[in-house]
Amino acid sequence: SQTIHQWPATLVQPVGSPLSLECTVEGTSNPNLYWYRQAAGRGLQLLFYSVGIGQISSEVPQNLSASRPQDRQFILSSKKLLLSDSGFYLCAYAAGLNTEAFFGQGTRLTVV
Amino acid sequence: GIQVEQSPPDLILQEGANSTLRCNFSDSVNNLQWFHQNPWGQLINLFYIPSGTKQNGRLSATTVATERYSLLYISSSQTTDSGVYFCAVRGYSSASKIIFGSGTRLSIRP
Repeated sequence: SQTIHQWPATLVQPVGSPLSLECTVEGTSNPNLYWYRQAAGRGLQLLFYSVGIGQISSEVPQNLSASRPQDRQFILSSKKLLLSDSGFYLCAYAAGLNTEAFFGQGTRLTVV
Repeated sequence: GIQVEQSPPDLILQEGANSTLRCNFSDSVNNLQWFHQNPWGQLINLFYIPSGTKQNGRLSATTVATERYSLLYISSSQTTDSGVYFCAVRGYSSASKIIFGSGTRLSIRP
């Protein structure tokens, strides 16, 4: 069966520190992968998506970057966090174009 | 890009009531899903419904792709139905992107 793992669940980081959030998928090959951010009480904003290894599309210019070093691994990074980077980060995958997307449990990031 | 609008933004109901949530989209889609976000933030898949009608217990959904809308029906609401309901679509022009509506916040009072 297919599963998605995202960690950590919560994270408190000081302003200016680096960030690395990891997402891995099991049970499927060459999935589409996604990173979303959700501000408190708001909707989901698409940050990055990837259709294959090394292929990253960025939706919103910001302080973040994404990488896909392996087929089923998607990493969200920042070199220096800003207060405005606080939020709930969600990773998702879809096995193909005409299939359901499934989400990880999310990481609640607080930048202090 | 494709725009997704959900209505109403907020809905407060008594337990046992029925509700209809709407999702309008601005262009043709080949993929549409409904999600429920629980109080812990987890997104629960409700329906994958690019067209037609599906039912799962007290929930059902209908997508009329030619008219660019989808409806989510909740019957006999329970307090556990509270949370935010999202519609998400993928358009033909950029089929990899999954675009979310702003959600409907549903509160069920006991």
